Amino acid sequence: SAVISQKPSRDICQRGTSLTIQCQVDSQVTMMFWYRQQPGQSLTLIATANQGSEATYESGFVIDKFPISRPNLTFSTLTVSNMSPEDSSIYLCSVGSYLGEQYFGPGTRLTVT
Amino acid sequence: SQQGEEDPQALSIQEGENATMNCSYKTSINNLQWYRQNSGRGLVHLILIRSNEREKHSGRLRVTLDTSKKSSSLLITASRAADTASYFCATTGNTPLVFGKGTRLSVIA
Repeated sequence: SAVISQKPSRDICQRGTSLTIQCQVDSQVTMMFWYRQQPGQSLTLIATANQGSEATYESGFVIDKFPISRPNLTFSTLTVSNMSPEDSSIYLCSVGSYLGEQYFGPGTRLTVT
Repeated sequence: SQQGEEDPQALSIQEGENATMNCSYKTSINNLQWYRQNSGRGLVHLILIRSNEREKHSGRLRVTLDTSKKSSSLLITASRAADTASYFCATTGNTPLVFGKGTRLSVIA
C-alpha cells in the first residue's frame, strides 16, 4: 500500500480566506481522491483527480470553491476557497482504485472562525 | 443513494469480548469495504468483500455479505483496547466509495 502524507495536518483560518492542502504519495498513482468529513459525519467524495486532466467533481462540489491541481503522479493539492465556518472539516486525500480499495492520508483538520 | 448505514451508532464492550457491527445499503454493489478511523485521523482499509462472496476472514476480522438483504456485518473477535475506533462500511457500484455514518467502538480494558 502507498504511504501518503498531507500538509498541513491542521489549521485555523479566518472566514473569507483560502487554504491549500497538499497531498504527497510515495509512489506514482493514476487516481487521487479528495474527501471531506464534517464533524461527527461520514466521508463525502469531493472530486477525483487524474494527472493531466481536470478533476471530476461530485454533485454539490464545484471547481470555484474547491480547485484541485494534479501536476504529476505523486502530488495533488486541494484549495478550499473563500472559507466559511461550514467548511470546518477534516479533508482527506486517498489513492487507489476507482471501484476498489483506497488508501488514505492522515487528513487535514480545518477550523474556520 | 447507495449510502451504507451502520448499526449500532456506538458500541461499548469489555476487552476480550467480540464486537459485531452491521451495515445496510440500498442499491446493487460491486463490493463492500470496511475501514477503521482512529480519533478523526486517516482511514485504514480493513477488508474488501466482493458482491459474489459471502464471507471473508482477515486475522481477528470476519465479514459477511448478504446481497439479498443488502447487508453486511463486521465481527471483531477477542477485542483489544487498541480496537477502539470508528468503523465505516463503504460500497462501490457505478460510483466510487460511498461511506456510511460509522460505528464508534469503545473497548474498555
